[in-house]
Amino acid sequence: LAKTTQPISMDSYEGQEVNITCSHNNIATNDYITWYQQFPSQGPRFIIQGYKTKVTNEVASLFIPADRKSSTLSLPRVSLSDTAVYYCLVGDMDTGRRALTFGSGTRLQVQP
Amino acid sequence: DAGVIQSPRHEVTEMGQEVTLRCKPISGHNSLFWYRQTMMRGLELLIYFNNNVPIDDSGMPEDRFSAKMPNASFSTLKIQPSEPRDSAVYFCASNLGGEANEKLFFGSGTQLSVL
Repeated sequence: LAKTTQPISMDSYEGQEVNITCSHNNIATNDYITWYQQFPSQGPRFIIQGYKTKVTNEVASLFIPADRKSSTLSLPRVSLSDTAVYYCLVGDMDTGRRALTFGSGTRLQVQP
Repeated sequence: DAGVIQSPRHEVTEMGQEVTLRCKPISGHNSLFWYRQTMMRGLELLIYFNNNVPIDDSGMPEDRFSAKMPNASFSTLKIQPSEPRDSAVYFCASNLGGEANEKLFFGSGTQLSVL
């Protein structure tokens, strides 16, 4: 089971770019990297997923180096509404378990 | 689509009482997951089903917890008897179930308080 390590919290200001890095040193060959966002009183919401290099969608970008032992979620020009907890997950392909295990997440606080 | 629907939204009960949480997954999704979230332990996977069959219940805390999925559109999580330490937000999620990394769709959760 690949484990992930993220900063517990981060602070930013509106309009800034925020980069949250996640370490997953034991990632398996077939594992994908997935990020979720959770607002208070809501369930987590899928943001982005990738396997290697770079993935971009309308919400964020995901950068994955060649060794895949880490990944960085990039949120361009954050606003107050981006204040949330962000989770980095790695699929449990090595155990065949078809379920995702959430870590502690990174609490992002965006200030005016 | 209405998304994953959970009920009730809030539940307050007394220790020893039976609690039943309900979940309706997104139509067409073949896998359903129950998670529990607390400040101390974060998001924990309790159990998940694939095609209505329980696949992994290793996260279920103890025998007081049970989950069923009688059909593709309904699942329950039951706690009997409930204890104060069961107080948490319980989330249900579903996905198509084809791949291990497939994205999950979560419901809004049930806030359970056991007094």
